[in-house]
Amino acid sequence: EIVLTQSPGTLSLSPGERATLYCRASQSVSGSYLAWYQQKPGQAPRLLIYGASSRATGIPDRFSGGGGGSGTDFTLSISRLETEDFAVYYCQQFGTSPRYTFGQGTKLEIK
Amino acid sequence: EVQLVESGGDLVQPGGSLRLSCAASGLIVSHNYMSWVRQAPGKGLEWVSVIYSDGRTQYADSVKGRFTISRDNSKNTLYVQMDNLRGEDTAVYYCARDMVAPAPREFYYYMDVWGKGTTVIVS
Repeated sequence: EIVLTQSPGTLSLSPGERATLYCRASQSVSGSYLAWYQQKPGQAPRLLIYGASSRATGIPDRFSGGGGGSGTDFTLSISRLETEDFAVYYCQQFGTSPRYTFGQGTKLEIK
Repeated sequence: EVQLVESGGDLVQPGGSLRLSCAASGLIVSHNYMSWVRQAPGKGLEWVSVIYSDGRTQYADSVKGRFTISRDNSKNTLYVQMDNLRGEDTAVYYCARDMVAPAPREFYYYMDVWGKGTTVIVS
């Protein structure tokens, strides 16, 4: 089973700043299999990025994913943070068994 | 508008059973792969089970032999039957559309539509 490790655990930034979140896989993962989700308290996860770098429908271009191709290191960047962006972010990868695994999450909080 | 609405969450004793439902609108459950994902209190996300459009099913090791995923095409509803429940099954359970989309060299895999979740407490 591929393990995804996200860093940092918590990121404290101010609105207007740029955030970079990291997701490292324990083995090489195809970028096509890597997705990012945003979750706010009391809400369901929301798909942000699929295929490592493709934005989901309705996601603003402030969100970008990096690390496409095959590899172990992927990033989620958020430029010009807005107050609505402060949430927990999860990376996810598709595998065979289990079908999906998630990272433990990065909490992006207002500084 | 595509919408998934879960129901059936409850407080149940260890060893008990519960069936969760996920009613879909704007998408046809039987034409899609559909997954259940859970989130224990204060914890991260854990994939639980999938039912493919051809009816095949797959489970996480943590629930294999205790949970059964199914669907009712006439009701356009997804289910998960949970038996022999344990304390570690306490979680919010989400249903989600499990997408497989063409990519330049292979396929993309992700979950693009999620319900709001239903809470299961085993105690």
